[in-house]
Amino acid sequence: QSVLTQSPSVSGTPGQRVTISCSGSSSNIGSNTVNWYQHLPGTAPRLLIYSDDQRPSGVPDRFSGSKSGTSASLAISGLQSEDEADYYCATWDNPLNGVEFGGGTKLTVL
Amino acid sequence: EVQLVESGGGLVQPGGSLRLSCVASGFSFTRSAMSWVRQAPGKGLEWVSATNWNGDTTYHGHSVKGRFTISRDNSKSAIYLQMNSLGVDDTAIYYCARAEGWSIVGTTPYLDHWGQGTLVTVSS
Repeated sequence: QSVLTQSPSVSGTPGQRVTISCSGSSSNIGSNTVNWYQHLPGTAPRLLIYSDDQRPSGVPDRFSGSKSGTSASLAISGLQSEDEADYYCATWDNPLNGVEFGGGTKLTVL
Repeated sequence: EVQLVESGGGLVQPGGSLRLSCVASGFSFTRSAMSWVRQAPGKGLEWVSATNWNGDTTYHGHSVKGRFTISRDNSKSAIYLQMNSLGVDDTAIYYCARAEGWSIVGTTPYLDHWGQGTLVTVSS
């Protein structure tokens, strides 16, 4: 049972914009930065967003991150079929003294 | 090119032990914090352990604390995960990753390079 809550699934059509949310508390998202990862089963996870809204080099600007209070969001614009994957938020949890991942959101491109 | 190559996975009986290795190349290993993350079948990602650049500060997730130990050998550009008292719930793919942004107050370490993973199966 993760301390971060993500919707299990989200879907969209090619070209559409979708958002994936991650809800936490003052002891995790509210006081630490959030990172986002993309994971296709059987492959290595990929860092998409770090420090709430920063994109590593090589990540398209279709991916953007934001945070407000104890919630964070990942937005994907211009949806493409290759975006179909699982997406995870992650943040430091102060009481647990470690990194916590959200439960993951499965994105389906219809 | 950054490369992280895990090894040491396999089949082990409940209660047994296993030691995973991860050899790194393509970056300044001695300056980098490192981490282990796992994914159990049908489950999400779970952060397991992390070590700072020289191994004198380590962290372990609550589900493995007291059973798993992370260590590193900078002379070999390698990190290790000693796993003891293994249970069926430890069955997972274990990934090695470089952790940036370590030890900055308010900053969650981010894992910017990952290996392909090694499978650990705990079963009788």
